Amino acid sequence: GDSVTQMEGPVTLSEEAFLTINCTYTATGYPSLFWYVQYPGEGLQLLLKATKADDKGSNKGFEATYRKETTSFHLEKGSVQVSDSAVYFCALSDSYIPTFGRGTSLIVHP
Amino acid sequence: NAGVTQTPKFQVLKTGQSMTLQCAQDMNHEYMSWYRQDPGMGLRLIHYSVGAGITDQGEVPNGYNVSRSTTEDFPLRLLSAAPSQTSVYFCASSPAGTSGSYEQYFGPGTRLTVT
Repeated sequence: GDSVTQMEGPVTLSEEAFLTINCTYTATGYPSLFWYVQYPGEGLQLLLKATKADDKGSNKGFEATYRKETTSFHLEKGSVQVSDSAVYFCALSDSYIPTFGRGTSLIVHP
Repeated sequence: NAGVTQTPKFQVLKTGQSMTLQCAQDMNHEYMSWYRQDPGMGLRLIHYSVGAGITDQGEVPNGYNVSRSTTEDFPLRLLSAAPSQTSVYFCASSPAGTSGSYEQYFGPGTRLTVT
């Protein structure tokens, strides 16, 4: 079946550092790929998405590129802020039921 | 649009009590689902619905019931609460393919403690 693997956290960075959170997937079809963000005490919200190979999703300074050849969708941001501290979930979906990764906690220090 | 709303935000139950977690969406989404989130376990799917009158079990359905009488509402019933059901519960909805990408919209969650 489908699966998503993302790096375990927590990832701890200083403000203005470069961020990469790795995500790889296995899927039998051609899924859409997503990053969701969960701020403390809140539900998940869509951060960005890509629906086909080589698409780049971007939002709020975050980017991720759908790499079919490496089955990856790594999340990057050039300069993180304290307000980016949250849990980030990678997910895939080609049907009603998405598959989520376990989540990666990001902690950004001033 | 209010999006996905959940009530209550917090709830404490005693073992054996029953209750209903409410979920509503105003986006006319076909697909709705319930997840529980526990530390170190990620999100686990409890039940889901692909439209009014249609429900199915997810990964961890035992101890929970659902029904979907309208497109908007998808309540989750705990039949006889157990301490193992202490968790944060999230409801989600999705246009499920009409936009071509199946993105999920989550509610703010219900934090349930069973003593």
